Amino acid sequence: DAKTTQPNSMESNEEEPVHLPCNHSTISGTDYIHWYRQLPSQGPEYVIHGLTSNVNNRMASLAIAEDRKSSTLILHRATLRDAAVYYCILRGSNYKLTFGKGTLLTVNP
Amino acid sequence: DAGVTQSPTHLIKTRGQQVTLRCSPKSGHDTVSWYQQALGQGPQFIFQYYEEEERQRGNFPDRFSGHQFPNYSSELNVNALLLGDSALYLCASSRGQGARDYGYTFGSGTRLTVV
Repeated sequence: DAKTTQPNSMESNEEEPVHLPCNHSTISGTDYIHWYRQLPSQGPEYVIHGLTSNVNNRMASLAIAEDRKSSTLILHRATLRDAAVYYCILRGSNYKLTFGKGTLLTVNP
Repeated sequence: DAGVTQSPTHLIKTRGQQVTLRCSPKSGHDTVSWYQQALGQGPQFIFQYYEEEERQRGNFPDRFSGHQFPNYSSELNVNALLLGDSALYLCASSRGQGARDYGYTFGSGTRLTVV
């Protein structure tokens, strides 16, 4: 399974944008890039996913590099409720999600 | 619209016992995957069920087995429990195996403690 590399932790201030980076240099052509987040004592929550083009939804934006070797999850205005562990995952043809340790996002009031 | 429902929420078992965990997928979803999450770690894929068959399996021993019913709900069975099986067990559902529309929807999990 192709691996992803994320910073262990990041900090942001409330109402400011947050850019969470992810490197996936061994990505294959059929791998989808998925982002999930997990709050304490809850299951992971789907945030966004994409294949090649940038994607936007009500929660976030996903910017994918032209060579697809990296991507960035963008939270446009962080709130305290966005504090969570964010996982960047490559979903390959075997359909399973291989989670790493993710990025712990702290949002300061 | 109910999301993924898992039961029970918490469970304590003794080493060597067997346990069954249950999952009802989100309405409209036909595929169920199971994950194990140890404390401080990311979830690890156990297996995926689609059309009542196990389609994919992670690196888990045969003590871990499952079932999917015609209504798409699923069970995870673990035999001969070990202390190391203590974890949060997560169920994720999707429409189709690849979840190409809105990703996988996870339940809140079952916290299993083996003593």
